[in-house]
Amino acid sequence: AQSVAQPEDQVNVAEGNPLTVKCTYSVSGNPYLFWYVQYPNRGLQFLLKYITGDNLVKGSYGFEAEFNKSQTSFHLKKPSALVSDSALYFCAVRPMDSNYQLIWGAGTKLIIKP
Amino acid sequence: DTAVSQTPKYLVTQMGNDKSIKCEQNLGHDTMYWYKQDSKKFLKIMFSYNNKELIINETVPNRFSPKSPDKAHLNLHINSLELGDSAVYFCASSQGKNYGYTFGSGTRLTVV
Repeated sequence: AQSVAQPEDQVNVAEGNPLTVKCTYSVSGNPYLFWYVQYPNRGLQFLLKYITGDNLVKGSYGFEAEFNKSQTSFHLKKPSALVSDSALYFCAVRPMDSNYQLIWGAGTKLIIKP
Repeated sequence: DTAVSQTPKYLVTQMGNDKSIKCEQNLGHDTMYWYKQDSKKFLKIMFSYNNKELIINETVPNRFSPKSPDKAHLNLHINSLELGDSAVYFCASSQGKNYGYTFGSGTRLTVV
């Protein structure tokens, strides 16, 4: 079965430190990859995507993600965390043969401490 | 100028009632979705329409019925509400397969 794993329920980072939120996937073919962020009591917001090309993609709010085909991973990163980055982060994958449907990870709660 | 707007934002209702949630997008997107987010924050696709045509119809109870009068609107009607229907329901839209979704702010449904 095709799946997306976010192995950490919660990630704690001190403000100013680099952060990584992990995502691995198991789908057939070359998928499209996405990251979304959900602030408390809000809808999800699109952060960035990988379709093809450079393995490092840049997105909103200073976030970037690195696609690693051999490890089937798409980890979200930021060089210097802000307290305002505290939120719930979702990784999502669309298999190439998918009918618009995304496979979602369970979400990772990111807590940035001052 | 809200891109994807859902109404109502909050909905508290008794078991057995019928209710509707409305969604409208002004982005000109072709595809719209309904998602359910449970108390553990898991996201589950329910339905998707592309240009008013149903393209995703996941295993949800028949009590849930989507309606898309035009490509800018996708409404969700729920019959005979049950306690387990309590969740946050999100509407979203996208321009196509390669594009990210734009989500509405959600409708928190509480069935008592």
